[in-house]
Amino acid sequence: EVQLVESGGGLVQPGGSLRLSCAASGFTFRNYWMNWVRQAPGKGLEWVANINQDGSAKNHGGSVKGRFTISRDNAKNSLYLEVNSLRVEDTAVYYCGRVDYGGDAVGYWGPGTLVTVSS
Amino acid sequence: QSVLTQPPSVSGAPGQRVTISCTGSSSNIGAYSDVHWYQQLPGTAPKLLIYSTNNRPSGVPDRFSGSKSGTSASLAISGLQAEDESDYYCQSYDSSLSGYAFGTGTKVTVL
Repeated sequence: EVQLVESGGGLVQPGGSLRLSCAASGFTFRNYWMNWVRQAPGKGLEWVANINQDGSAKNHGGSVKGRFTISRDNAKNSLYLEVNSLRVEDTAVYYCGRVDYGGDAVGYWGPGTLVTVSS
Repeated sequence: QSVLTQPPSVSGAPGQRVTISCTGSSSNIGAYSDVHWYQQLPGTAPKLLIYSTNNRPSGVPDRFSGSKSGTSASLAISGLQAEDESDYYCQSYDSSLSGYAFGTGTKVTVL
């Protein structure tokens, strides 16, 4: 059974940093593109970043570019998101997701981890 | 503000057919064949409902169908059921963003 479990969220002050993790199991992690998607409280979904199978290709959304960095460790079956220079508007549930069906659809999602940026 | 626009809400009686539109532009839906749809129940992670415009993952009922024309896409739910009451989002790649965009989201209410 495919499982994705995020961790690392919490309360952080503006300007602070966190490292979000996503532990993958039940599939061959190194064979898949992976994504981070976030959702602010009461708002819609926002794509954050994606990374290819070996980590050689990474893309970040405009609102996080230069502040967030996606990475992965295939030996540990783990996906990461380094979030720096946090702003109040970065408050959201952060989901990791596996890309499926030969394109760019996110076929599996984790339950998410909440990041709250507040003073 | 998203580059993909959806109606905030649609509603229908049980058994009826409802459609949700996703309006984009030549930099997203009009240029790329892959439009995906997700269902999100309150307090839960999204679930893939339709991929590549009109394909259903295993386990998704055939009451759900997708289509695309020009710079817009649509999700149709036929034989509406109480369990379909949820939020729905479309997704496409956008060349002007050099990344992915989700639609603004639509809440479906079963009357």
